[in-house]
Amino acid sequence: EVQLVESGGGSVQPGGSLRLSCAASGFTFSSYWMHWVRQAPGKGLVWVSRIYTDGSRVSYADSVEGRFTVSRDNAQNTVYLQMNSLKADDTAVYFCVRGDVRGYFVDNWGQGTLVTVSS
Amino acid sequence: QSALTQPRSVSGSPGQSVTISCTGTSSDVGGYNYVSWYQQHPGKVPKLMIYDVSKRPSGVPDRFSGSKSGNTASLTISGLQAEDEADYYCCSFAGSPYVFGTGTEVTVL
Repeated sequence: EVQLVESGGGSVQPGGSLRLSCAASGFTFSSYWMHWVRQAPGKGLVWVSRIYTDGSRVSYADSVEGRFTVSRDNAQNTVYLQMNSLKADDTAVYFCVRGDVRGYFVDNWGQGTLVTVSS
Repeated sequence: QSALTQPRSVSGSPGQSVTISCTGTSSDVGGYNYVSWYQQHPGKVPKLMIYDVSKRPSGVPDRFSGSKSGNTASLTISGLQAEDEADYYCCSFAGSPYVFGTGTEVTVL
C-alpha cells in the first residue's frame, strides 16, 4: 500500500522559513516523480513543485519560483520542500503526491501538513 | 499558469447524469492528452478518478468517464449516486508545470 506521510508544517511569521518532509513507503520511491500540491483553507488545489526520480529535474509554479526548493533523498525514501521568504498567501495544507512514472499526472496523496504564515 | 476554468457547481438527482467542463488553452488541455480528474470529499484527501483524459484507475466505477475536445475536457458522472457528492478538480500537464482547475462542487439533490 502506498503511504505518504508529511511533516514539518506549523506557524511561521512572514519572511520566515519552513522545511517540509514527506516519508514514502509501499512502492519503489526512486522510480517515481514526486510533487507538492497545496490547498489554502476553503480554496482549490494548486500545484507547487515536482522533482524527477533522481532529482536531476525540478520545476515550480511561478508563485513559488525562487523561494521554494524541492529535493529528495532516495536512500531515505523522502522528499523535501524548503520554503523561504514565506508570505501570508502561502498559508495552506501542503500535500505530498506521487506522480506517475511517465510524469503526466499524480495519483497517491499524503494526508497533508498545514502551514500557517501570520504575524 | 492560470487555473483551468470549471463551473462553480453542478447538481443532479440520483440516477441522472452530470457533466463538468474544464477549459484551458492550447498550452495545457489542448496541447496534451494528459488531463486528470480528482474527487475530494470535505476534509478528505483528493482521489484520482480519471487520467490520460479518459482512463479509469482500478477501482473507480465505470459511471465516471472523461473526454476532451479542443481546449476543453469534461468529466461525466452517469447514474449519479449520493456518495458522488463532492468537489471535483481537473488537472492538466502543461509541459513542465501542471495546472489544476478551479474546482466544481457536485450536489446530489
